[in-house]
Amino acid sequence: GENVEQHPSTLSVQEGDSAVIKCTYSDSASNYFPWYKQELGKGPQLIIDIRSNVGEKKDQRIAVTLNKTAKHFSLHITETQPEDSAVYFCAASWGQAGTALIFGKGTTLSVSS
Amino acid sequence: GAGVSQSPSNKVTEKGKDVELRCDPISGHTALYWYRQSLGQGLEFLIYFQGNSAPDKSGLPSDRFSAERTGGSVSTLTIQRTQQEDSAVYLCASSLGEGRPLHFGNGTRLTVT
Repeated sequence: GENVEQHPSTLSVQEGDSAVIKCTYSDSASNYFPWYKQELGKGPQLIIDIRSNVGEKKDQRIAVTLNKTAKHFSLHITETQPEDSAVYFCAASWGQAGTALIFGKGTTLSVSS
Repeated sequence: GAGVSQSPSNKVTEKGKDVELRCDPISGHTALYWYRQSLGQGLEFLIYFQGNSAPDKSGLPSDRFSAERTGGSVSTLTIQRTQQEDSAVYLCASSLGEGRPLHFGNGTRLTVT
């Protein structure tokens, strides 16, 4: 089955700096790669996603890149703000219909002002 | 609009008791998922329902775990003879179907004493 590795597990940056979180996946058949943000006491919320036919996608301060050959994808947050502090999870699609998601173990991002 | 609703938000039970966790998905979402989140761990896939198809139960950790989805809407996750290692946050998510974003509820925090 699919396996998703995520690193780093913790990341501390100064406000205004950039943050990068990287993930690798094992199943070359995976074709959908979302990123979720989870704040304390809440469920994860989708912040950006990318499909296997696209190499890069950007939404304001957030961007995701995908390298299918190397089977890795990354989340880039620019101009970080204190409200970006949260746990971030990457995921890759898996399963017969490609709909069940397998998640990485998460990255705790702390942005200090 | 209403999001995914889970109840109860917190549940404390004694070892050996059975528990039922409820999930009300977003109206019109055909796919429903259960995940488990243990402290410091990622989201562990448990089970997935899609329309009238047979559920994908490949993530259930033991035969003490089962889930139903009645009328294509509400789902119940049942854990029989609970053990302390079952303590975790149980998250439910729903989506419009294949390759569509998952929308998570805020989870049920289960504590087995």
